[in-house]
Parts: sequence; C-alpha cells; structure tokens
Amino acid sequence: AQSVTQPDIHITVSEGASLELRCNYSYGATPYLFWYVQSPGQGLQLLLKYFSGDTLVQGIKGFEAEFKRSQSSFNLRKPSVHWSDAAEYFCAVGSTGANNLFFGTGTRLTVIP
Amino acid sequence: EPEVTQTPSHQVTQMGQEVILRCVPISNHLYFYWYRQILGQKVEFLVSFYNNEISEKSEIFDDQFSVERPDGSNFTLKIRSTKLEDSAMYFCASSDRAGRGETQYFGPGTRLLVL
Repeated sequence: AQSVTQPDIHITVSEGASLELRCNYSYGATPYLFWYVQSPGQGLQLLLKYFSGDTLVQGIKGFEAEFKRSQSSFNLRKPSVHWSDAAEYFCAVGSTGANNLFFGTGTRLTVIP
Repeated sequence: EPEVTQTPSHQVTQMGQEVILRCVPISNHLYFYWYRQILGQKVEFLVSFYNNEISEKSEIFDDQFSVERPDGSNFTLKIRSTKLEDSAMYFCASSDRAGRGETQYFGPGTRLLVL
C-alpha cells in the first residue's frame, strides 16, 4: 500500500538560509510524487511533481525536489528562503489504478527574520 | 488564474445534523474530489467523481456521505448525520484529466466543527 512520511512536523529557518524538507514514500512501482504548499487561508497549491524522466524537478517559487529511488525519498529544497515561504508543506504520492493522492502529515515551515 | 472555491469557509453544527459543503471546481475540469484533514493528521482521500458517478471512494466514505453535482458548476459533499469525529478540514479538488500523474487543483477548504 502507498504511504508517505514527512519526518519533520515543524522546521524553523532564517530568511535567506537554505531549506530541505524531507519526504519518504512507500510504493511498489514507479511513484508519481507531488509537493503541495498551503498558506494560511489558502488551498493546497502544487509546487512541483515527478512522474518520469529527470530526477531533479524544478517547481514554482524557486523550489526543486530530487527523486531518489534508492532512498525512497523526494525531498524538497530551496537555496534561499523568503519570509513568504512560511506555510505548511505536503508531500503526496499518486495511487495505483486510481486518481486519489496519499498525503503525508505535512511540515510547517516558520521563517524568522 | 482559475481556482477552486469552497463555501462556507467555516461551519459549526450540532451532532446528528446534516451539513452540505459546497465547491465550485475549475470550469473546464471533469474530475472532482473530496479530501479531509482531521486536525494534526494526514490529508485523506474521501471520494472521486466523474461523469455524474463516483469513480473511487475510500473506506471513510460510508453511507453517511454522499456527493452530487446538482448543476453545471457546483459539486457538493453531504454528511447526513454528523458525528463528532467528522470535525475536520474538508478540501475539494478538481482536475481536467484522470491518472496518477495529473495535477489536482485544491480549494481553500471548509473547516467543519461538530459539537
């Protein structure tokens, strides 16, 4: 069965510092992987997704993620965090034979000046 | 940019009451979904809907739940007799195509509190 683990519930970084949010998945075949962000009062916005090809995926707002099959990971990175990046980040995997997504529990990012 | 909208943003109800959560998907999308997130837990899939039929549902989506597309723009989730454990954030999503890699666009959610 599919599952997603986000080990970090809450991360605090300084503005301008680099960021890495961890995501590990469990899936029997080639996964379809997504990162969504939720700002307060907003819906879940897609940052990027991976389903084939280059394992380094570029997304919106300067984010990227790297798919590592050997580690069952799809970590999200940003070289320099902005205060507006403070939000909740969700990793998700597409399910087998259906359209629904399996989400992790999310990581809340706090950015300090 | 087109977006999914949901109403109301917050709903408080008494246990045993019926609630209807409303969603307006992106206009040219054909696939619709409901998810929920109990506070502190994962976002969980409830149901997907296409061509006026449920295409997938999770074990959470029992007989107390139903979905409907009453007209060309709205997509609703009804909970017939709410329970305390139905308190959660409910997200609607839509996509223009089906498949594991297709992007689902989410609304801002409705926070439901059952007392």
